[in-house]
Amino acid sequence: QVHLQESGPGLVKPSGTLSLTCAVSGDSISSDNWWSWVRQSPGKGLECIGEIHHSGTTKFTPSLESRVTMSVDKSKKQFSLSLSSVTAADTAVYYCARIRMSSTVPTYYFDNWGQGILVTVSS
Amino acid sequence: SYVLTQPPSVSVAPGKTARITCGGNNIGSKSVHWYQQKPGQAPLLVIYYESDRPSGIPERFSGSNSGNTATLTISRVEAGDEADYYCQVWDITSDQMVFGGGTKLTVL
Repeated sequence: QVHLQESGPGLVKPSGTLSLTCAVSGDSISSDNWWSWVRQSPGKGLECIGEIHHSGTTKFTPSLESRVTMSVDKSKKQFSLSLSSVTAADTAVYYCARIRMSSTVPTYYFDNWGQGILVTVSS
Repeated sequence: SYVLTQPPSVSVAPGKTARITCGGNNIGSKSVHWYQQKPGQAPLLVIYYESDRPSGIPERFSGSNSGNTATLTISRVEAGDEADYYCQVWDITSDQMVFGGGTKLTVL
C-alpha cells in the first residue's frame, strides 16, 4: 500500500518561500511514475501545481511556473516543493500525490494522495 | 487550456440514482477520471479510465463518456456518498492535468 506524507511549516510570511516535502513509502520513488503537488484553497477546487519524475524531469502549471521548483531525493525517498514570493492567495491545503500513467491509452491520473497540509500565508 | 465544467451541486434522495456531469470540448475522445472528497479528507479515486473502479470502490459507482459530456453515476445513493466530486483528464495538447470545478453531492 502506497503511503504519502506531507511535512513542512504551516505558516509562511508574505513574500517568503513555501517549502514542503512528501515522504513516500510502499513504492519506490524511482518507479516509472510521476509525483505531484496539488493544492486546494479554502472552499475551492483542486489545482495542479506540477509534477516530477525520479529522473528530475518536471512539468509545472503555467500560472505558477515562474515561482515553482520541485526536486527528488531518492536516498530519502521523498520529493519536495518550493513556491517563492508567496501571497495570501497561496494559502491552501497542499497535497502530494502519485500519478499513474496508462500503458494502453494516453492518460494520467492520481491514484494515491497524502492527507494534505494546510499552509497559511500571513505575517 | 482545456476546460472541464461541472454543475456546482446535485441533490438526490437516499436509494435513488445520482448523475454528475463533466463537460468538455470533445471529452469523449479523452479518458476521464473521478475523485470523491469528503470534508477534511484528501481526494479519493473512485473511477479511472471512464468506468474502472479501484479496489474497494462499490459497484454502485460507474462512469460513462461520450461526445462533450462525461458522467459519474452513483446508484442506490447512501448518506455516506455525500461529498464533493471532481472529474479530471490529461490534456495531451498542453500536457497538463486538468480538474473540473467540482460538484457537491447532497443526499436529502
